[in-house]
Amino acid sequence: DVKVTQSSRYLVKRTGEKVFLECVQDMDHENMFWYRQDPGLGLRLIYFSYDVKMKEKGDIPEGYSVSREKKERFSLILESASTNQTSMYLCASSAVDRGENYGYTFGSGTRLTVV
Amino acid sequence: RKEVEQDPGPFNVPEGATVAFNCTYSNSASQSFFWYRQDCRKEPKLLMSVYSSGNEDGRFTAQLNRASQYISLLIRDSKLSDSATYLCAVNGRGSNYKLTFGKGTLLTVNP
Repeated sequence: DVKVTQSSRYLVKRTGEKVFLECVQDMDHENMFWYRQDPGLGLRLIYFSYDVKMKEKGDIPEGYSVSREKKERFSLILESASTNQTSMYLCASSAVDRGENYGYTFGSGTRLTVV
Repeated sequence: RKEVEQDPGPFNVPEGATVAFNCTYSNSASQSFFWYRQDCRKEPKLLMSVYSSGNEDGRFTAQLNRASQYISLLIRDSKLSDSATYLCAVNGRGSNYKLTFGKGTLLTVNP
């Protein structure tokens, strides 16, 4: 089974702090994604990456950046945390083989609270 | 029209009932379709892919209607353990890699 591991389950940070959320997958997937999930708003894509050192903005990239230095690791960075970034953050990875998408596997999520 | 839309529910059904969810999508060029299940405070888990010809996995049947641009999920003989939020996902514009998710439909199966 593909395993996607997020480094923290729960995190509490102060406004203005720089926050790093780490995600590691063990199945050699090319594609990795960061979403946030909020009640009533569903899953919203923040950033994604097709390959090492490649990144693309999703629908809500403002206030975030990402890093993918190794294929298995995709980090989400909150440059200066704000209270409106309190959310559940979900990392996912996927494989696409000959154009067929096999769906995402999600990590167990990081529930971030910014105070 | 939103990219992916679902009836948020909630759906409350008795054990043993048959329940169906629909999900509409706006991009007629979409190629990849999925149903995910999400338990409370957990991550979404892939339930099944949706293929053009329709597909079945035990009590679950998924169908795709390209003409009307929707996918459906049918659950037969509902169990208490089926209580969860069901999310549909469709690949986004210009990309077969990136999925757009519906907001989910909450299902509660009652004894």
